[in-house]
Order: sequence, then C-alpha cells, then structure tokens
Amino acid sequence: GAVVSQHPSRVICKSGTSVKIECRSLDFQATTMFWYRQFPKQSLMLMATSNEGSKATYEQGVEKDKFLINHASLTLSTLTVTSAHPEDSSFYICSARIRDYYEQYFGPGTRLTVT
Amino acid sequence: GQNIDQPTEMTATEGAIVQINCTYQTSGFNGLFWYQQHAGEAPTFLSYNVLDGLEEKGRFSSFLSRSKGYSYLLLKELQMKDSASYLCAAHHGIGGFKTIFGAGTRLFVKA
Repeated sequence: GAVVSQHPSRVICKSGTSVKIECRSLDFQATTMFWYRQFPKQSLMLMATSNEGSKATYEQGVEKDKFLINHASLTLSTLTVTSAHPEDSSFYICSARIRDYYEQYFGPGTRLTVT
Repeated sequence: GQNIDQPTEMTATEGAIVQINCTYQTSGFNGLFWYQQHAGEAPTFLSYNVLDGLEEKGRFSSFLSRSKGYSYLLLKELQMKDSASYLCAAHHGIGGFKTIFGAGTRLFVKA
C-alpha cells in the first residue's frame, strides 16, 4: 500500500514554456502533499506544502507565482513550472502524508530539463 | 535555525559494517528519519526514531540521542547494492509537520 505516482517521469521543454507535473496517491487519501526539488549531488529541498482544498505554503525563497501548486483533491496535487528557464532544470519529487502521521510516501520523481 | 550535518562520502568493503553519523539542530524536533536514495530515484524509507536508543531492523540499525542532537545509521554485512546516498532528515512540528533533509552521505561499497 501507500503508493505515490508522478507523471511525467521525464520532460524536456523549451525555455519560456510551462510544464505541469502531477502527483497522485493511488491507494490512500493524502491530506498533505509536499513538493521537493533536488539538484545533482544535493539533498531534497522542500519547496512547498499543500493541503487539500487550501492554498499551498511556500518555503522562503520559492516563488509562488513561478511554481504554481494545486491540491484539488485528496489524491491529486499538481506543480506547474511557469515560464521555465534552464536553471529550473532539476529533479522534482512529491510526497504524500496521511493526516499528521509522521511517514511520508515519495513519488518516483520527475526529471525536468529546460533547453 | 535548522541544520543537519552528515559526511559527504564514505567508502566501505563488501561484508563489512559502516556507521553513518548525523547531527542536527532543529526547533520543535519530533523524530529522525533515515532514507536510502539511489541515483535518479526517489528516497525510500529506512527508519524513524522518536525515542533515544537503538532500533534494529534486519541489516540496518538506527540510533538516536535527542539530548546530543545526534543519530547514526549502522549498516551490517554490506552488499554492493547498498551503494547509495543515505539521507538523514529531521521531522519537526514548527509551522506544520515538516521534514528537513541533510545533504546526504554517498556510500560506495567496494568488493
């Protein structure tokens, strides 16, 4: 149980375009979802926390107008990278949590390359 | 502020034992996670320590000392497939339950 999927797994886009990444909890209802970004040989950096039906809470330094997060249901959250630039190229990972249970379940990640 | 420190890289021999240390400073500390991450993949859960002491789970054990802000992950009978990054992460309750990750320790297991 507790499977989280992400789509797409890899995406290449041109500079200036927008990309949407989906994160789904397949067999449980996720009251909270997290979005992380990971650059090569670095750790996961939390970008934002989203709770179903409410606005996402962004970490300091993360532009909310550039990284749009929507958590419309208990099984789906989306991250849209708007007007992508090469420096946005990274590994984006979502995770989902059931209420305040400590464990979070990670998706397989999305490799974004902006050319 | 929040801070997690762990060694950048370690090398060990197949069949041996390796200990990966982690020190943390965080407000509202709840517990300490260890995750394993292979290159290009998402982290997989290894352990979560809330109380002081050692918890053993097969070849992997994790230790926590809350008073010292210290944890370690112990890997026994190393296998080649254990070559990966090991992430120490602090779970805290400030501003909602969040997990702050360390930079990870890249472990190389050699034959």
